[in-house]
Amino acid sequence: AQSVTQLGSHVSVSEGALVLLRCNYSSSVPPYLFWYVQYPNQGLQLLLKYTTGATLVKGINGFEAEFKKSETSFHLTKPSAHMSDAAEYFCAVTLMYSGGGADGLTFGKGTHLIIQP
Amino acid sequence: NAGVTQTPKFRILKIGQSMTLQCAQDMNHNYMYWYRQDPGMGLKLIYYSVGAGITDKGEVPNGYNVSRSTTEDFPLRLELAAPSQTSVYFCASRKPPRSEQYFGPGTRLTVT
Repeated sequence: AQSVTQLGSHVSVSEGALVLLRCNYSSSVPPYLFWYVQYPNQGLQLLLKYTTGATLVKGINGFEAEFKKSETSFHLTKPSAHMSDAAEYFCAVTLMYSGGGADGLTFGKGTHLIIQP
Repeated sequence: NAGVTQTPKFRILKIGQSMTLQCAQDMNHNYMYWYRQDPGMGLKLIYYSVGAGITDKGEVPNGYNVSRSTTEDFPLRLELAAPSQTSVYFCASRKPPRSEQYFGPGTRLTVT
């Protein structure tokens, strides 16, 4: 079975500073990896995904993530934080062999990103 | 496209009552999912469906039932509501071969 660990339930950065949200996964077969963002009282919106190919993936709103198989990591970064980035961020995994998620996504517990003015 | 829609947005139930959470999508997605989100716990899969007439259990199916009679709709039924079912419920859909899921806005359910 797969699992996801997000280090830090809350991360606080200053506006304009680097954002780094950590995600490590456990999977016995090649994974598909995702980052989703959730704004207050809303559903989840896909930021970016890794399936195969290039290990550095770019997403919406200036975010990017790098798949590192040797470290079983998929950390999310953004060079310069904006006040509008304040939200809950979820890392998720599913298994490649299941056709990309027939049995659903396994989520981390989430990281609340706080932006200090 | 409206995407994935869920009704109601909010609901308060008394212990032992039943209700159906509605989910619909207009994107012709074969796969649909129900998750629940509890504070600090992420989302957990309740049930999923790969097409009309086909459903399967996820990680936390106890106390819930689903049906899938059409491609568009995937209702979640709660029988004999319990306080442990207080949560936010999200429906999602996906169209293979694409791997990403699209989420609805959620239903906030309180059982007292």
